[in-house]
Formats: sequence, structure tokens, C-alpha cells
Amino acid sequence: DTAVSQTPKYLVTQMGNDKSIKCEQNLGHDTMYWYKQDSKKFLKIMFSYNNKELIINETVPNRFSPKSPDKAHLNLHINSLELGDSAVYFCASSPSGGSRDTQYFGPGTRLTVL
Amino acid sequence: KQEVTQIPAALSVPEGENLVLNCSFTDSAIYNLQWFRQDPGKGLTSLLLIQSSQREQTSGRLNASLDKSSGRSTLYIAASQPGDSATYLCAPETSGSRLTFGEGTQLTVNP
Repeated sequence: DTAVSQTPKYLVTQMGNDKSIKCEQNLGHDTMYWYKQDSKKFLKIMFSYNNKELIINETVPNRFSPKSPDKAHLNLHINSLELGDSAVYFCASSPSGGSRDTQYFGPGTRLTVL
Repeated sequence: KQEVTQIPAALSVPEGENLVLNCSFTDSAIYNLQWFRQDPGKGLTSLLLIQSSQREQTSGRLNASLDKSSGRSTLYIAASQPGDSATYLCAPETSGSRLTFGEGTQLTVNP
């Protein structure tokens, strides 16, 4: 039983294309997150949603747009892909987003922009 | 802005050794601090979460301590095993469930 799942696992695409990464959690959690891990392995938060409401929106280009159709799903859409967008993108979830909560991570989506 | 530093960046030890991984952070106004492990090509697995009011947490062979005022945390691994080989990340949490990650310590335990 996969707790936090992401699709696709690998994504290779050309510059300028638009792509989406999907995330689903079956843990019943209220809060979901997107993180980016760059080539230097640095992991940084991009967005978080609590009950479909945007809570964290870090300094991320407008080309990145999260969408939460329901609290079990948080998708990431990227417009006009650039070379610098190549990274591993991780989705995570936590029960309520409170300070006692552990975050549970998905397996990651490796995006390569050519 | 929170900045997290982990020392050492890499560590290679023989099986059975006890070892300490260090984490320091610049903003002591944290709610908690989490330690994760990341295996190559995989996501992160939470190991321990220490609340800001706690001094340490233990899980099996792992013990994490927190000195919030000095901005430090350590992860102690007892009797290391080859299966412990992974990258270990510390992440203090500030307001709004915001985790800030260090660059990690890459641990190799040799049989």
C-alpha cells in the first residue's frame, strides 16, 4: 500500500513544453507539499496546501502552478519548461501541518529538460 | 532566513562503529526538528522528530538530541550496519510547517 505516490517517476521533455506531475496520498492527511531537489541534492520547499488552500508559496516562478482538486491530491503543472527546471520533485503530506507532524514523502519524480 | 549546515558532508566507517552526525541551524525559533534518511533514487523516510521543548528522542539504535538555544542537533547511530548506508538530512521546522533542509551527510557503512 503506497502512502504517497507520484506519477510519473521519470519525465524527459524538451524546453518550452508544458508538463504536469501528479501526487496522491491515501493517508487521510490534510496538508500536502511540493519540494524540489536540485543537482546538488539541496531540498527546498515550493508549495504547501492545507485542505485545498494554499499555505506556503515560496519564491517560485509563475510558470509553476500547484492544483489541489481535493485534499488527497496535489498536482504540479509547469509551463514553458526551462533547462534549470531539471531536478527531482518530491511530494509530501502530513496529518494537519502542525508542529507535531511528521511529513511523509513520495518517491520523487525526476524531471529532465533537454 | 533559516540556514542549515550538516557536518560531515560524507562519512565512511566500518560496521559496528558508533557515530555522530551533526546539524546546526541559524534561526532558533523552531517548532521541531526532524531527521530523515534518503536512499539513492528514493524519497525521504522520517527517522525522528524532536519537539522544540524536548532535548532528545530515541528510536532503536538512533538517538537524536536538540539544543535549540545554540542551534544544534546531533544524530547518534549505535552499532552501525551496512543497511544504515544512506544520506541523512536534518530539517528544522519554522512557522507554517516550513522545513528547511541541510545538504545532508552521506554515510557509508562497510561490512
